[in-house]
Amino acid sequence: DIQLTQSPSSLSASVGDRVSITCRASQSISTYLNWYQQKPGKAPKVVIYGASSLASGVPSRFSGSGSGRDFTLTISSLHLEDFATYYCQQTSGTPRTFGQGTKVEI
Amino acid sequence: EVQLVESGGGLVAPGGSLRLSCVGSGFTFGNYWMHWVRQSPEKGLVWVSRINPDGSSISYVDSVKGRFTVSRDNAKNTVYLQMDSLSAEDTALYYCARRDGVGPKGHLALWGQGTLVTVSS
Repeated sequence: DIQLTQSPSSLSASVGDRVSITCRASQSISTYLNWYQQKPGKAPKVVIYGASSLASGVPSRFSGSGSGRDFTLTISSLHLEDFATYYCQQTSGTPRTFGQGTKVEI
Repeated sequence: EVQLVESGGGLVAPGGSLRLSCVGSGFTFGNYWMHWVRQSPEKGLVWVSRINPDGSSISYVDSVKGRFTVSRDNAKNTVYLQMDSLSAEDTALYYCARRDGVGPKGHLALWGQGTLVTVSS
């Protein structure tokens, strides 16, 4: 199975901060990497797919980069509504594994 | 409204069975791959299974192989997850999700609200 390791596991930030979360795969996955945002009591919501494509309706302050094994989700200027837990997921192999999550908190 | 609605969760004793259902509406259900994902505080998000539009291609995570069976009825816009030989490790919130895109662009674009499965005596 392809393992995904996110870092950090949690981070404290303020409104307006630039925030980056990384996801490292245990083997090369090309750009088969998605990012999801999850708020308490809600289902996950895709924010980035194919490593760098912005999902529909997602603000442009979100961006994704990377290929191969290393990927980054960046929020250029944190808004209050961005405080959530973020997960990466690979779709290169089966099972479609998720990272352990990164909690972005105030 | 485009949505997925899961049902069928509940409390079940170890060794028991449950069948989860997920009904899609507002889109052409039979055109999409459907996935099941579960979430628990201990293990986070865990991908469980997927089924292609006509039901001919199915995959599972190893931990549920031989115990869980995914199926679909496109006439009823419904995907099912039959869960047998349940153990405490299967306790989780179960989501169904619709896959959009193909190849590197494939992603889970539409999720249900989840249905809670609790395995306990």
